[in-house]
Amino acid sequence: NAGVTQTPKFQVLKTGQSMTLQCAQDMNHEYMSWYRQDPGMGLRLIHYSVGAGITDQGEVPNGYNVSRSTTEDFPLRLLSAAPSQTSVYFCASGKRAYGYTFGSGTRLTVV
Amino acid sequence: QQQVKQSPQSLIVQKGGIPIINCAYENTAFDYFPWYQQFPGKGPALLIAIRPDVSEKKEGRFTISFNKSAKQFSLHIMDSQPGDSATYFCAARDTGNQFYFGTGTSLTVIP
Repeated sequence: NAGVTQTPKFQVLKTGQSMTLQCAQDMNHEYMSWYRQDPGMGLRLIHYSVGAGITDQGEVPNGYNVSRSTTEDFPLRLLSAAPSQTSVYFCASGKRAYGYTFGSGTRLTVV
Repeated sequence: QQQVKQSPQSLIVQKGGIPIINCAYENTAFDYFPWYQQFPGKGPALLIAIRPDVSEKKEGRFTISFNKSAKQFSLHIMDSQPGDSATYFCAARDTGNQFYFGTGTSLTVIP
């Protein structure tokens, strides 16, 4: 039972490049979310999904896209990377009755 | 705006002391209040959680106190140890199962 798996762990992008952050969970959780963590700002919700085929925007969605074609996978796409997107990104999953389980994070630097 | 306000930003206590971290919220529709513990380089991990129909919950050395009328809740760590040194986040869940996080408290327990 791997929990929530995020890849890559580290990434450096040039401004304007695009990339996909991968997230997979093996706990059959219906809810999945992406957060970014910045110093002094806590965890801010980017996008979330309440089940396969259903996604919605969180607090800071601009510059990011998501899709949920299966229960297990919830990739986050950066369309055209900007320095303001330098952050630590966490994927989380959970069921209705409980708190979320977080992955170990992707540390992204945009230069 | 910040849906969940957390204080203090940082806290230093001696081993054996009882650090207290406070959170406040406005949305009365929040129905689940977890606390997460995060060590450097790791994702947040669920520590303890409470529902609004309960005023206190204890798990080991960790206690949540909940004041529904004041819309406040707090985390107490009894007999704190150096291994408790971490960043702690409070959170609140809305009816759509989305979590809103506080900005975090960096706790240092001095041996």
